Amino acid sequence: DGGITQSPKYLFRKEGQNVTLSCEQNLNHDAMYWYRQDPGQGLRLIYYSQIVNDFQKGDIAEGYSVSREKKESFPLTVTSAQKNPTAFYLCASSRSGRSDTQYFGPGTRLTVL
Amino acid sequence: AQSVTQLDSQVPVFEEAPVELRCNYSSSVSVYLFWYVQYPNQGLQLLLKYLSGSTLVESINGFEAEFNKSQTSFHLRKPSVHISDTAEYFCAVSAGIRGGAQKLVFGQGTRLTINP
Repeated sequence: DGGITQSPKYLFRKEGQNVTLSCEQNLNHDAMYWYRQDPGQGLRLIYYSQIVNDFQKGDIAEGYSVSREKKESFPLTVTSAQKNPTAFYLCASSRSGRSDTQYFGPGTRLTVL
Repeated sequence: AQSVTQLDSQVPVFEEAPVELRCNYSSSVSVYLFWYVQYPNQGLQLLLKYLSGSTLVESINGFEAEFNKSQTSFHLRKPSVHISDTAEYFCAVSAGIRGGAQKLVFGQGTRLTINP
């Protein structure tokens, strides 16, 4: 089955620790995205990548970092610089172009203790 | 810059009643509009989208949305809802960004609750 997988589903982190969220897709999509979801705020774009070895900041990139070494993988690191990291994180992918549908993974819920 | 406003944060309705979830957008360029649905603790799934052509678009599970350019709206409707439609619904507009990639700008979401 083609799709997007995210792991882990739940993640707990102590303050001051970096943590990496995994996102893998087998849809052969060029573009991949990371969103953050908070209650009542919709989804906000953290980073996106159009091709391998290239990525761009979204609206709320501070405290986050990404890499895109393979077409199918786009991991997100939440660093200790992120002041309020507790949230639901969603990864998505699409073909290139404004009209293409973004397909979402099941999400990772990160809780900072 | 594009923006999306979903006018209702919560909509409670009774089973088999009609429902309308309202969405207004602003955009300075031609628009592509999407409705996504999110069930609890899951990712988003595409419900329907408007790209061009007929202003009325339909989904396979009975939802429909009408693109109204003069009112800058893309309201989602269903004539008779089921318990299984309980979910959060997001309206989004597509914005072109650097390199031809796509940025989705989302509304705040509308939580639809179906009561028996």
